[in-house]
Amino acid sequence: DTAVSQTPKYLVTQMGNDKSIKCEQNLGHDTMYWYKQDSKKFLKIMFSYNNKELIINETVPNRFSPKSPDKAHLNLHINSLELGDSAVYFCASSGGRENNQPQHFGDGTRLSIL
Amino acid sequence: AQSVTQPDIHITVSEGASLELRCNYSYGATPYLFWYVQSPGQGLQLLLKYFSGDTLVQGIKGFEAEFKRSQSSFNLRKPSVHWSDAAEYFCAVASYSSASKIIFGSGTRLSIRP
Repeated sequence: DTAVSQTPKYLVTQMGNDKSIKCEQNLGHDTMYWYKQDSKKFLKIMFSYNNKELIINETVPNRFSPKSPDKAHLNLHINSLELGDSAVYFCASSGGRENNQPQHFGDGTRLSIL
Repeated sequence: AQSVTQPDIHITVSEGASLELRCNYSYGATPYLFWYVQSPGQGLQLLLKYFSGDTLVQGIKGFEAEFKRSQSSFNLRKPSVHWSDAAEYFCAVASYSSASKIIFGSGTRLSIRP
């Protein structure tokens, strides 16, 4: 029973393409997140949604667009992929928007741009 | 602005030896503090957290951490490491405001010497 699942696990594509990463959590959590982890393991938040409402939107290119069809899903669509988008993208969820709620992470999607 | 620093990029200890991973934070008030562990190819898992009260907190897998306000530190310790503890460890800080985000440190990679 995977708590936070992301698909695909690996994504290899060419520059300029559009791709999506899907995330689903079965924990009944209200809040979901997208993080980007670069090659130096630095982890930075990109977006956060609470009950389908966007609450954190970091300074990321508008080529990145999150979509939350319901509170159990938070997908990430990326347009016009660039070399610098190569990274591991993690989805996470927590029981609420309060920062004392621990976050549960998926196993990541490794995106490689050729 | 809040920040978190993990001064050690890579630490190697012998199996059975004690471990201490350092974490320093910068914040105007007492923040929420977390330690997460990331095994290769996986997402982050919460080890322990500190919000208030007893400054020595116990976590999973035999880890503990001590909050020292005077030193703005939240160091992670384990009395005797096991080979399975080899992983990347992240300290994180968050404010009480739910509108702000959780900030992760740059991580410390732990290697275990047989």
